[in-house]
Amino acid sequence: AQSVSQHNHHVILSEAASLELGCNYSYGGTVNLFWYVQYPGQHLQLLLKYFSGDPLVKGIKGFEAEFIKSKFSFNLRKPSVQWSDTAEYFCAVNNNDMRFGAGTRLTVKP
Amino acid sequence: GAGVSQSPSNKVTEKGKDVELRCDPISGHTALYWYRQSLGQGLEFLIYFQGNSAPDKSGLPSDRFSAERTGGSVSTLTIQRTQQEDSAVYLCASSYALAGDEQFFGPGTRLTVL
Repeated sequence: AQSVSQHNHHVILSEAASLELGCNYSYGGTVNLFWYVQYPGQHLQLLLKYFSGDPLVKGIKGFEAEFIKSKFSFNLRKPSVQWSDTAEYFCAVNNNDMRFGAGTRLTVKP
Repeated sequence: GAGVSQSPSNKVTEKGKDVELRCDPISGHTALYWYRQSLGQGLEFLIYFQGNSAPDKSGLPSDRFSAERTGGSVSTLTIQRTQQEDSAVYLCASSYALAGDEQFFGPGTRLTVL
């Protein structure tokens, strides 16, 4: 069955630490890849997306993600997190329909 | 312009009652999705609509769940004979097309079944 896996359920970091959230998928063929973020009390919103081209994608708020086709991965990174990055992060894969991972809760301690 | 809206924002109901949740997508968006977000469970796909095509109902957890989309716009998710395990936040999203487009999410309806 097609699936999207996020390896970390809850990540706790101090401000200025570097972040990497894992995402792997099991779809074959061409996929479109997304990271969404849900800040406390807010809607889900798009952080970044990959359709084609440069596998290193830049998103809002200093986030980036790298598509590694051979590893079926699309990990999210940020060099230096801020307290305001505290949120839940969802990886999503679109291959005819959209499937989301279970989410990773990020807590950044001030 | 206006985003995706959902109503009600909160719904408390008794076990066994039927509930209807409404979603107003962004005007012009042809694709509409329903998801369920349970605590610690992430986003669970329920159903999507694309234009006038038959909806993909593959994510509906039981036959107590149904959804319709009238006139290619507003959608209603109906849960019959609600159970306590139906308690969750129900999210609606819309996009311009099915494949690959960014989905815009509504604020959700928090359903509590007592």
